[in-house]
Amino acid sequence: EPEVTQTPSHQVTQMGQEVILRCVPISNHLYFYWYRQILGQKVEFLVSFYNNEISEKSEIFDDQFSVERPDGSNFTLKIRSTKLEDSAMYFCASSDGSWQGGVHEQYFGPGTRLTVT
Amino acid sequence: ELKVEQNPLFLSMQEGKNYTIYCNYSTTSDRLYWYRQDPGKSLESLFVLLSNGAVKQEGRLMASLDTKARLSTLHITAAVHDLSATYFCAVDFDSNYQLIWGAGTKLIIKP
Repeated sequence: EPEVTQTPSHQVTQMGQEVILRCVPISNHLYFYWYRQILGQKVEFLVSFYNNEISEKSEIFDDQFSVERPDGSNFTLKIRSTKLEDSAMYFCASSDGSWQGGVHEQYFGPGTRLTVT
Repeated sequence: ELKVEQNPLFLSMQEGKNYTIYCNYSTTSDRLYWYRQDPGKSLESLFVLLSNGAVKQEGRLMASLDTKARLSTLHITAAVHDLSATYFCAVDFDSNYQLIWGAGTKLIIKP
């Protein structure tokens, strides 16, 4: 069964460093998302991406964040200068955007745990 | 403001008991999702509820949606230890594909 994959599974970085989190969405999907979950807290929407541009973004997604689809398969989240509070699990999700049976379902990757020290 | 509230946030129960998790949301939506998350793992889709009165069941879990009350429930029947996890509800407002999440209910089922 097709699945969303993410690399790395765990990234440790120092405050102020740039990190790139990588995702490979399901191959025929057109909509891509990033969410984050601070340890023990709820999942928060960061950004959605369609047709090579951002569709929606939350207040969390400030100028420190950017997303890119550099080729036909990868979808990346870049944090330019990491802060301690960026430590979280980052989930990528993808969707084909269709409403089959009224369902628009997002499929989540396993997550990347980002630790900023 | 788009808000999704779950309660309880923590639930410890014995095997064999029944219980209900509640999910309230702030604004009209016809799409509500329930996810399960095991510790350190990703989010597993359980149910998608699309319309008022929708009810879905999978094993010991049953989810329902009342769009007029802006309320969804996840009912656990005769709980077993394997159902221990954190359960999230999430709502898709305005068809913009952005999911707004509840805080999650951490469910511990003791043998």
